[in-house]
Amino acid sequence: QVQLQESGPGLVKPSETLSLLCKVSGASTTSAYWNWIRQSPGKGLEWIGSIFYSAGAMYNPSLVSRVSISLDTSTNHVSLRLTSVTAADTAVYYCARDSAPGPYYYYYMDVWGTGTTVTVSS
Amino acid sequence: EIVMSQSPATLSVSPGERATLSCRASQSVSSNLAWYQQKPGQPPRLLIFGASTRATGIPARFSGSGSGTEFTLTISSLQSEDFAVYYCQQYDNWPPLTFGGGTKVEI
Repeated sequence: QVQLQESGPGLVKPSETLSLLCKVSGASTTSAYWNWIRQSPGKGLEWIGSIFYSAGAMYNPSLVSRVSISLDTSTNHVSLRLTSVTAADTAVYYCARDSAPGPYYYYYMDVWGTGTTVTVSS
Repeated sequence: EIVMSQSPATLSVSPGERATLSCRASQSVSSNLAWYQQKPGQPPRLLIFGASTRATGIPARFSGSGSGTEFTLTISSLQSEDFAVYYCQQYDNWPPLTFGGGTKVEI
């Protein structure tokens, strides 16, 4: 079955760039839309953005100036990059698959990774 | 941005009882609404999409209803494994996709 595993540094300093990877197993990264979603105690679940290999990425307008999502189809990874982080970016970050088979999308998510915790602190 | 509101924040129920959770959208989302269940230390799990369609493997005691701006998730007879936090999510108008703040179902 499809499995997602997020990875990255657990601690990032303020003003630096957060970079996370999501390893996709059991499916190709070309098979669906892939999403990044984060969860913090203060803001609940927040959709960061999504990507399809032939359609590019779409982002939450509140983050669009700082976020970038990309795909590496050769290694089957989805990447997230968030620049100029602050304490407000402290959260559990999840990678999640759209329920529809690509190139379609539903924008609800049926497979989620276990999440990776990121703390922004000096 | 469509704002999703859930009530109550916490619902205290006994095993075997019925639980009714509400989700309200700041504008119509048609039937483009999903429900998720989240247990501590786990990611959200898709329960319902299209406001009322159960996802694969979801027990029949979970049901969803509503359209437009008012939605309900009903758990007909709570089992011990159902105590969790439940979130609604709209996917009608994006970006961004938006989630409600969650309802915690506790014993």
